[in-house]
Amino acid sequence: SQQGEEDPQALSIQEGENATMNCSYKTSINNLQWYRQNSGRGLVHLILIRSNEREKHSGRLRVTLDTSKKSSSLLITASRAADTASYFCATDEGQNFVFGPGTRLSVLP
Amino acid sequence: DAGITQSPRHKVTETGTPVTLRCHQTENHRYMYWYRQDPGHGLRLIHYSYGVKDTDKGEVSDGYSVSRSKTEDFLLTLESATSSQTSVYFCAISAGQGITEAFFGQGTRLTVV
Repeated sequence: SQQGEEDPQALSIQEGENATMNCSYKTSINNLQWYRQNSGRGLVHLILIRSNEREKHSGRLRVTLDTSKKSSSLLITASRAADTASYFCATDEGQNFVFGPGTRLSVLP
Repeated sequence: DAGITQSPRHKVTETGTPVTLRCHQTENHRYMYWYRQDPGHGLRLIHYSYGVKDTDKGEVSDGYSVSRSKTEDFLLTLESATSSQTSVYFCAISAGQGITEAFFGQGTRLTVV
């Protein structure tokens, strides 16, 4: 079962610009998480937002959650070339993390 | 980095042979997971464990078995490897059941020829 679906599938921006990625899911959740994956590496946790939270910040990251629309967004401000990676949202489904197919972000210098 | 190690990191094997991938953690986390990652599919759960000797199937468990005889080790076995099992396999651990972050290993790239 694929709970989360990221949008867009791929995104190219210039360094310094903001990047916004969206995630939609299907069933009710307790929390939603965002992960980053650099090429050839494992996933790294970025941020977790609980179902009773609407917005959360961590450094240059801002995550919003709209449970009525079953959607979340990840905003990366002032992007850097090092932000080039794939970004995944993950929702909790019982004991497991269910991941979407990811958004491939390319930040051009 | 969380203490999670996958071995081997790369493996080429022949169709029909059994293959075992190992995940070792030093975090004493209760939950351990095996995912496979394929283009266009993201990460799909194969099996997971919620304690020693406690395991359950995930979304794509056919052709795979797991064992967890110690807290720190979670083994994934391909009973008879097929070309469709060519993939990148990731192990993950977490302290809580989906309510805390997951830590991932570096992955094992498996090619079945």
